[in-house]
Amino acid sequence: DTEVTQTPKHLVMGMTNKKSLKCEQHMGHRAMYWYKQKAKKPPELMFVYSYEKLSINESVPSRFSPECPNSSLLNLHLHALQPEDSALYLCASSQEWYPGLAGMNTGELFFGEGSRLTVL
Amino acid sequence: QKEVEQNSGPLSVPEGAIASLNCTYSDRGSQSFFWYRQYSGKSPELIMSIYSNGDKEDGRFTAQLNKASQYVSLLIRDSQPSDSATYLCAVWNGAAGNKLTFGGGTRVLVKP
Repeated sequence: DTEVTQTPKHLVMGMTNKKSLKCEQHMGHRAMYWYKQKAKKPPELMFVYSYEKLSINESVPSRFSPECPNSSLLNLHLHALQPEDSALYLCASSQEWYPGLAGMNTGELFFGEGSRLTVL
Repeated sequence: QKEVEQNSGPLSVPEGAIASLNCTYSDRGSQSFFWYRQYSGKSPELIMSIYSNGDKEDGRFTAQLNKASQYVSLLIRDSQPSDSATYLCAVWNGAAGNKLTFGGGTRVLVKP
């Protein structure tokens, strides 16, 4: 069983809706991530949070808004999405994330089961 | 050139045989290398990590890393139908971008 929990597992929303994806980890990890994965493609990084601060935003459109209320929780707020945003959204965590310090971060990510989003 | 390249497959392997998966990467500064297994419709699961040249074995899995040639491979011994999945190679460079870069994945089919 994964120690990274994502809810909901499935979400269908219209283009005018506002919804949120939630992620929780209880491994004491200090870094959390959002990835987007389209069918038959590898995961694409969206955001990285380290110690509850946004550290990487991969030029994600503002209709995706991340939030990290504490070290265990990560949310992704969704608003005015487009049908092409339909995908599997994956949350992941890792023990640490130190920018610019080579060798400090092993890069072992642990993924949640994902939230499958369909935008109509 | 893609940063991390894998043959997309499918790699068809008879049950009990060895499945051999290869991955090449372009960034010589890459430090950490991973193999994730992803079943259809599920999330990636970390199965192997390797950080230094040579072989690392874990059960039926062996990861091999050759930094000079910039390739990393995964061997699956005694392949089982339950090994049928997509295997994602992932590479980490802590000094450049500090993020995990995934290859496109190799689909493996183990036939009984």
